[in-house]
Amino acid sequence: KAGVTQTPRYLIKTRGQQVTLSCSPISGHRSVSWYQQTPGQGLQFLFEYFSETQRNKGNFPGRFSGRQFSNSRSEMNVSTLELGDSALYLCASSGVRGLTYNEQFFGPGTRLTVL
Amino acid sequence: KNQVEQSPQSLIILEGKNCTLQCNYTVSPFSNLRWYKQDTGRGPVSLTIMTFSENTKSNGRYTATLDADTKQSSLHITASQLSDSASYICVVSLYTGGFKTIFGAGTRLFVKA
Repeated sequence: KAGVTQTPRYLIKTRGQQVTLSCSPISGHRSVSWYQQTPGQGLQFLFEYFSETQRNKGNFPGRFSGRQFSNSRSEMNVSTLELGDSALYLCASSGVRGLTYNEQFFGPGTRLTVL
Repeated sequence: KNQVEQSPQSLIILEGKNCTLQCNYTVSPFSNLRWYKQDTGRGPVSLTIMTFSENTKSNGRYTATLDADTKQSSLHITASQLSDSASYICVVSLYTGGFKTIFGAGTRLFVKA
């Protein structure tokens, strides 16, 4: 079973530009969550998509947006990049085993550097 | 308020020694608790997952315990290796018609030769 894939793995942008990150979840998983992780910080929740609909949203500005396609692949977009957006962006794919627990698997992440 | 607190924030141990990481949570209604290992610059990898009825779960040299009454969990690493140097994240999920996940800030473990 293939794991969660994220592309690109590394990205360098300049302030003011925009960026799109991609995540392909594990086959059969319908939920995709995005997280931002900056050095020394824990994972900060961005948003979660389930069946092409945003189900939950964290406390990030509107410059951060996302979408999910019918095949469950998800994209995250950040517009008007700021230096503080430099971070590791992680995508997590979730499947549900009844009501017992939710499996959540993380991708390798995209390292975004804003210059 | 649903929170997950981990201690210590960081830890340095010698190779071959054991260590225990702590996780306290105030999450309700509790569904499950997971421990992840995250190497620097990589995505977290699941070590163990426990539901309400499970007290102990092992994965090789990693053993997690859960006390649902006191809302505490621990991760014990036996005979540490240099490759155990990583961040260990405690994650608690609650279920209220849908799953919600609360992350701890993590414990940074350094294993020295």
